[in-house]
Amino acid sequence: AQSVTQPDIHITVSEGASLELRCNYSYGATPYLFWYVQSPGQGLQLLLKYFSGDTLVQGIKGFEAEFKRSQSSFNLRKPSVHWSDAAEYFCAVGARGSTLTFGKGTMLLVSP
Amino acid sequence: EAGVAQSPRYKIIEKRQSVAFWCNPISGHATLYWYQQILGQGPKLLIQFQNNGVVDDSQLPKDRFSAERLKGVDSTLKIQPAKLEDSAVYLCASSFPGPQETQYFGPGTRLLVL
Repeated sequence: AQSVTQPDIHITVSEGASLELRCNYSYGATPYLFWYVQSPGQGLQLLLKYFSGDTLVQGIKGFEAEFKRSQSSFNLRKPSVHWSDAAEYFCAVGARGSTLTFGKGTMLLVSP
Repeated sequence: EAGVAQSPRYKIIEKRQSVAFWCNPISGHATLYWYQQILGQGPKLLIQFQNNGVVDDSQLPKDRFSAERLKGVDSTLKIQPAKLEDSAVYLCASSFPGPQETQYFGPGTRLLVL
């Protein structure tokens, strides 16, 4: 069965500092990987996705993620965090035509 | 392009009452999903439709939850009777079947059962 682990429930980062959110997955085949962001009271917005090819993928709002098959990881990064990035971030794994399995999320807090 | 629409955005009911949620997917998206997101957790799939047929409803509590997508476009999710543990956000998502299929989510319906 597929699963996603986001080991950090909360992370606090100073504004302007770099960010890395961790995601580890378990999947029997080549996975499709996604990062979504959820602001309070909102639905999920797609940040970026990986299907195949270049293992470093760029997304919206200056985010990027790197797929590392050997580590079963798909960590999300941003070089400089803005206060508006405060939200909950979800990593998800799936495959073509299948449902997504989500992690429990990481809440990002941005301090001034 | 319009996104996934959901209504209502908020609903408060008492236990044992019934409630219904509506979802209109992105135009042309054949696949529609309903997820339940309990506070502090990631979304969990309830049911997946391909056009008007059910693909996966293995995690739908069928004694109280039902869903339909009669014309293969919009969909309704119903809970009858509601329990306290049904308090959650109900998210609808849609996707266009293909090699790089991506799910796009609506704003969700926040349900509180008292």
